[in-house]
Amino acid sequence: KQEVTQIPAALSVPEGENLVLNCSFTDSAIYNLQWFRQDPGKGLTSLLLIQSSQREQTSGRLNASLDKSSGRSTLYIAASQPGDSATYLCAVRGDTPLVFGKGTRLSVIA
Amino acid sequence: GAGVSQSPSNKVTEKGKDVELRCDPISGHTALYWYRQRLGQGLEFLIYFQGNSAPDKSGLPSDRFSAERTGESVSTLTIQRTQQEDSAVYLCASSLDVGGNTEAFFGQGTRLTVV
Repeated sequence: KQEVTQIPAALSVPEGENLVLNCSFTDSAIYNLQWFRQDPGKGLTSLLLIQSSQREQTSGRLNASLDKSSGRSTLYIAASQPGDSATYLCAVRGDTPLVFGKGTRLSVIA
Repeated sequence: GAGVSQSPSNKVTEKGKDVELRCDPISGHTALYWYRQRLGQGLEFLIYFQGNSAPDKSGLPSDRFSAERTGESVSTLTIQRTQQEDSAVYLCASSLDVGGNTEAFFGQGTRLTVV
């Protein structure tokens, strides 16, 4: 059974700092990995999708990497801003539907 | 439509009543998912539809929960004889699932409160 773990559960950083969020998964037989953002009381917004054949994807200040063989992904956020404050979720897609981690709650302090 | 649409956005119901939650996926998306998110918790998989294949119902928590999807369009999640423990946000997502493009897009959710 696929299990997804995100570390840390919560993170607080001052504005302008670069930061890394971690995601690990137990079954490396995945099709892709997707990072989402969830604001309080809202649905999920897709940030980046990495196919299993890819090593990384970039969108603006966000960079996600994937090491499928070791079951790890990282989301790098450059020059963090207060507007980045949210919960960040990773999810993996394999033969089973999307399996989610419990998320990292990020607070960026102005 | 432009995105995944869910209705109602909020629903308050009395314990023991039945409720229906609706999801309109992005047009052309063959895959549709339902998830449940209890307050302060992660996303809990409920059910997955993919085209004309039999749905994956492995996440439904009890026989009070059921879902239908007509073709590749609207889906309805039904909860019978609601209990207070059913209070949660119910999220729907869809994806194209063609040619390896499986990026999932979520609706804003339905917040269900059972009183």
